Amino acid sequence: DIQMTQSPSSLSASVGARVSITCRASQSISTYLNWYQQKPGKAPKLLIYAASSLQSGVPSRFSGSGSGTDFTLTISSLQPEDFATYYCQESHSTPPITFGHGTRLEIK
Amino acid sequence: QVQLQESGPGLVKPSETLSLTCTVSGDSVSSDSYYWSWIRQSPGKGLEWIGYIYYSGSTNYNPSLKSRVTISVDTSKNQFSLKLSSVTAADTAVYYCARDRGAATTFDYWGQGTLVTVSS
Repeated sequence: DIQMTQSPSSLSASVGARVSITCRASQSISTYLNWYQQKPGKAPKLLIYAASSLQSGVPSRFSGSGSGTDFTLTISSLQPEDFATYYCQESHSTPPITFGHGTRLEIK
Repeated sequence: QVQLQESGPGLVKPSETLSLTCTVSGDSVSSDSYYWSWIRQSPGKGLEWIGYIYYSGSTNYNPSLKSRVTISVDTSKNQFSLKLSSVTAADTAVYYCARDRGAATTFDYWGQGTLVTVSS
């Protein structure tokens, strides 16, 4: 199975800050990498697919980059509604599909 | 607007079978464009993909659960279902159904999730 390692596991930042979250795959997955946002009590929401493509309706302050084993989700200017937990998910191998363990983004 | 809604018992006894149904609106489970997945989330294991079904009935399961999982589709009701047998406390989780865009597995629509607790 492909292992997905996210860092950091938690992060504190202020409104307006630029933040980056990284996800590392245990083997090369090309650009088969998706990012999701999850708020408490809600289902995950797709933000970025294929490493860098913005899902329809998602604000342009979210961006994704990377290929191979190292990927980054960047939020250019944090808004109050962005404080949530973020997950990466590889889509290179089936089965199984695997998710990272999440990065909790908190207000400083 | 695509919507998915999970339904089923919130409490299941150990060793019994967990059964959930996902009702889809705004799309068809008969579409050849998508796969229909179950995913669960527990505090101890995070997000775990359980498996998917295609409109044709073709399935793919997580090897860690394969011996206990069955996913089926009912095109007449526009639903797909999950059965997980011989449950233990480790199967306690929030269960989500989701639409997968296929090709490169991407979950673009999710149900709200339903908590299933395994306890006697």
